[in-house]
Amino acid sequence: EADIYQTPRYLVIGTGKKITLECSQTMGHDKMYWYQQDPGMELHLIHYSYGVNSTEKGDLSSESTVSRIRTEHFPLTLESARPSHTSQYLCASTTLREGGDQETQYFGPGTRLLVL
Amino acid sequence: KNQVEQSPQSLIILEGKNCTLQCNYTVSPFSNLRWYKQDTGRGPVSLTIMTFSENTKSNGRYTATLDADTKQSSLHITASQLSDSASYICVVSDRGSTLGRLYFGRGTQLTVWP
Repeated sequence: EADIYQTPRYLVIGTGKKITLECSQTMGHDKMYWYQQDPGMELHLIHYSYGVNSTEKGDLSSESTVSRIRTEHFPLTLESARPSHTSQYLCASTTLREGGDQETQYFGPGTRLLVL
Repeated sequence: KNQVEQSPQSLIILEGKNCTLQCNYTVSPFSNLRWYKQDTGRGPVSLTIMTFSENTKSNGRYTATLDADTKQSSLHITASQLSDSASYICVVSDRGSTLGRLYFGRGTQLTVWP
């Protein structure tokens, strides 16, 4: 089982609140990702990072922000939560290898967010 | 447009039976294709990964096939167990960018009944 952790697992919060979803991995992976997944739908990449101080926006526009101050830690922050942010958020990591065709993404258990 | 389509959307089978899940993709260029298993409320877990030159790859009772010419893949599950109930996601990676972007299917929701 992959050593990648997310907290909290479930979060119910009111509109306008600031929230931070935590993601950490102990595998020393360089690449980390945040995906958003609605029920029965595909995963959408919202943020990724190639290493410390490297963050990029993904394919799906998101009002969230991320930071990568330490290799093992990749938190996601919503400054003002809205009901449209209700979704499952999955964190993933992988190694950064030269010509890494076969790199496998390891996923965390996810955070289910409900904004009322 | 790069897409990954999976069928069926959902499937119910009896314990012990075999089943095959399909994945068609239009992603180009192509680097590799992966099958993931996602239990309810959990993150996806990798089952197999195949590159262009690989036709078949097995992982226990799971066997994936790839036809890069027709851009089709299948995941065959043998002697299904209750624990196989999950969503199975097909993911295709391209090499069109330094990111090596991943394209996700919506998954096939498999339910195994006793």
